[in-house]
Amino acid sequence: GIQVEQSPPDLILQEGANSTLRCNFSDSVNNLQWFHQNPWGQLINLFYIPSGTKQNGRLSATTVATERYSLLYISSSQTTDSGVYFCAVARASNTGKLIFGQGTTLQVKP
Amino acid sequence: GAVVSQHPSRVICKSGTSVKIECRSLDFQATTMFWYRQFPKKSLMLMATSNEGSKATYEQGVEKDKFLINHASLTLSTLTVTSAHPEDSSFYICSATQPDTQYFGPGTRLTVL
Repeated sequence: GIQVEQSPPDLILQEGANSTLRCNFSDSVNNLQWFHQNPWGQLINLFYIPSGTKQNGRLSATTVATERYSLLYISSSQTTDSGVYFCAVARASNTGKLIFGQGTTLQVKP
Repeated sequence: GAVVSQHPSRVICKSGTSVKIECRSLDFQATTMFWYRQFPKKSLMLMATSNEGSKATYEQGVEKDKFLINHASLTLSTLTVTSAHPEDSSFYICSATQPDTQYFGPGTRLTVL
């Protein structure tokens, strides 16, 4: 099956700093999503981005499908950005059968 | 955006009992829902695909007789953990798909004593 690797596994930032999270995947995919899991366990969809670049406020993501990686950028981080960021992929474009990476745990300190 | 709810949010039970977890799509119809399991500080693992009006599809290694899934309506899927044991303790999360977006429930934390 498809392997998904995320880096770094852990990240500590000072409020206001910028960061880049990386997701590498081992095979071609037509579905790639980034999620944020808050400390209470709720998963929030950040981006559906099988290719290209998207931006939403302080967050942006880029996927280079031909090179099998995706990047999530967080700018001007806030304490509310803390939590675990997951990258998840699937071969099919519109499916909930996602393969998740191990996540990046982000802690933003005030 | 779409909302998916789960009930209960937390359950503690004795070993050998069965526990039912409900997953509802509140403002949209979902012919397909998905059940995931997450161990502490670990990633999510897909357990099964719940199909409205038909049998669930289980991922390799998931015991279908242990984890019973029923998808009786377009807005409700249930996961029943039968004869629960301490190793079944985990965080169970359901999800439903809308075009280009996956919506997750808030999760159910199961503790089996």
